Amino acid sequence: AQKVTQAQTEISVVEKEDVTLDCVYETRDTTYYLFWYKQPPSGELVFLIRRNSFDEQNEISGRYSWNFQKSTSSFNFTITASQVVDSAVYFCALSEGTTSGTYKYIFGTGTRLKVLA
Amino acid sequence: DGGITQSPKYLFRKEGQNVTLSCEQNLNHDAMYWYRQDPGQGLRLIYYSQIVNDFQKGDIAEGYSVSREKKESFPLTVTSAQKNPTAFYLCASSQGFSTYNSPLHFGNGTRLTVT
Repeated sequence: AQKVTQAQTEISVVEKEDVTLDCVYETRDTTYYLFWYKQPPSGELVFLIRRNSFDEQNEISGRYSWNFQKSTSSFNFTITASQVVDSAVYFCALSEGTTSGTYKYIFGTGTRLKVLA
Repeated sequence: DGGITQSPKYLFRKEGQNVTLSCEQNLNHDAMYWYRQDPGQGLRLIYYSQIVNDFQKGDIAEGYSVSREKKESFPLTVTSAQKNPTAFYLCASSQGFSTYNSPLHFGNGTRLTVT
């Protein structure tokens, strides 16, 4: 079955530390997309990044970087030099087609990151 | 600015009453979704709609109903049949239903408390 696992329920770091959030997925499809979303205390999920299954290049955006490894079915997210504003719940998600021709998103249970000043 | 508006932000109801959560988007997106978020359980899909006048059940549709009479609107009704309705409800939309690489855009959510 399709599944997204975020084993880290909560992580606490001190400001300026680097932190990596883990995401492991399971899918039968050869074509799929992976996403990361941030949910700040306001509640709205904010899209951070999308990666397709054929693109294994790592990506860096400012202090954020993502490491996609198809061989281990992982799509990990690293925040460098964390800041208090990074405190949020982070969700990893998988999008894939279904047999009925539609598609669905499957979310992990989220990792709560607390960055302490 | 384009976005998704959910109202109200907080909603309180007595057990046994139906309640409707509003979701409006001005992003011109075809697909809309309702998710439920409970502590430690991530997001679970309730219903989704890929086009006006059409919608499909998600993973936890029992006790919920939806309508999609307009492209911009996708209200969710939590009925008295829903055994544990207290939760945080998130509405989302995405561009097009034929491609699954579209990121979801979310509203700010409605926190429903039923006592």
